[in-house]
Amino acid sequence: GNSVTQMEGPVTLSEEAFLTINCTYTATGYPSLFWYVQYPGEGLQLLLKATKADDKGSNKGFEATYRKETTSFHLEKGSVQVSDSAVYFCALSPNTGNQFYFGTGTSLTVIP
Amino acid sequence: DSGVTQTPKHLITATGQRVTLRCSPRSGDLSVYWYQQSLDQGLQFLIQYYNGEERAKGNILERFSAQQFPDLHSELNLSSLELGDSALYFCASSGEDFSGDTQYFGPGTRLTVL
Repeated sequence: GNSVTQMEGPVTLSEEAFLTINCTYTATGYPSLFWYVQYPGEGLQLLLKATKADDKGSNKGFEATYRKETTSFHLEKGSVQVSDSAVYFCALSPNTGNQFYFGTGTSLTVIP
Repeated sequence: DSGVTQTPKHLITATGQRVTLRCSPRSGDLSVYWYQQSLDQGLQFLIQYYNGEERAKGNILERFSAQQFPDLHSELNLSSLELGDSALYFCASSGEDFSGDTQYFGPGTRLTVL
């Protein structure tokens, strides 16, 4: 079946620290992978995506590389800001049928 | 602002009752997805419609139903409500009949069942 596993939170970092949030997936076939972000009191927003193996998605200083050999899509940012405080969700579209699968979310708090 | 609207923002009701949540997709988007976000189960895909037709079903209970109208807005109906149905319900829209297309999320409806 299809599923997404992401690291447990919460994560607390100081401003300008390096961020990694781990995400691994299980899928049949060739899924597309996503990171969504949810700021407090808001709906989810697409942060980045990758549609095939070895693709790198990037946006707002965040990056994630689709690694088929390790079934991973880890989110990274070199220098976090207070404004990055949010909940981050890894997600998967199996590309067959229209189901969509989210991880449990990782809460990030960045302190000045 | 994603362009997706949801009403109401908050809903408080009692067990056994029925409620209707409404979603208006972004202008031009034909696809609507419904999700439930709860503390114990995370974010779960419920159902998807494209241009009025049901296209995919996820973990949607039989007590729940949805539809998409000719003007493309969608409603999620929740009946015989239980305490465990308390959650944040999101809808999302996209242009394509394909879950890999970028989905734009509304602000959600917070349902509290007392």
